[in-house]
Amino acid sequence: DSGVTQTPKHLITATGQRVTLRCSPRSGDLSVYWYQQSLDQGLQFLIQYYNGEERAKGNILERFSAQQFPDLHSELNLSSLELGDSALYFCASSPSGQVGVSPQHFGDGTRLSIL
Amino acid sequence: GIQVEQSPPDLILQEGANSTLRCNFSDSVNNLQWFHQNPWGQLINLFYIPSGTKQNGRLSATTVATERYSLLYISSSQTTDSGVYFCAVGSGSARQLTFGSGTQLTVLP
Repeated sequence: DSGVTQTPKHLITATGQRVTLRCSPRSGDLSVYWYQQSLDQGLQFLIQYYNGEERAKGNILERFSAQQFPDLHSELNLSSLELGDSALYFCASSPSGQVGVSPQHFGDGTRLSIL
Repeated sequence: GIQVEQSPPDLILQEGANSTLRCNFSDSVNNLQWFHQNPWGQLINLFYIPSGTKQNGRLSATTVATERYSLLYISSSQTTDSGVYFCAVGSGSARQLTFGSGTQLTVLP
């Protein structure tokens, strides 16, 4: 158990819909990262938050947004969903905002299926 | 950005055999992690090893940062070792991990 909690585990929805994925980091971790794993793109970084502030952006679509709340949990919002958004979405956390200081610990992921 | 290459892409072993997985990266790194993704999709953190050698049971890893590669050794493999092994690196001022494309390991009984 990594200590990172993601809900829901599975999500099935239709094109054009909007969903929210939730992540609770490990106790004491201030940094939250979102990654997307799709069959054709592999594991790709989407966005990072540190202590409530956005710190880095990767290949995140404009239809996607995220936020980190005062209790440090984070939500990833995906809107106007397309078939290609079907993927496994991982949240990771670390104590620091710097990648070289400590490892990232990953949750079990949310499997999103768009019908 | 940094490039990460893993080899071999696929590996099939008989139970009890040993194996070595390789990860090459194109720039200096300040973070290197090895993960095992099991058949249920979970990413299990195996090692945090930006340099040096670590061992955990039947698994060990070595990173030679000056030569830009890392090796993951699996000894006396078991069927439960099956899955995809990913190497992920962090470099410079980047805040994210960059993942390789993985090695798909199948251990046959």
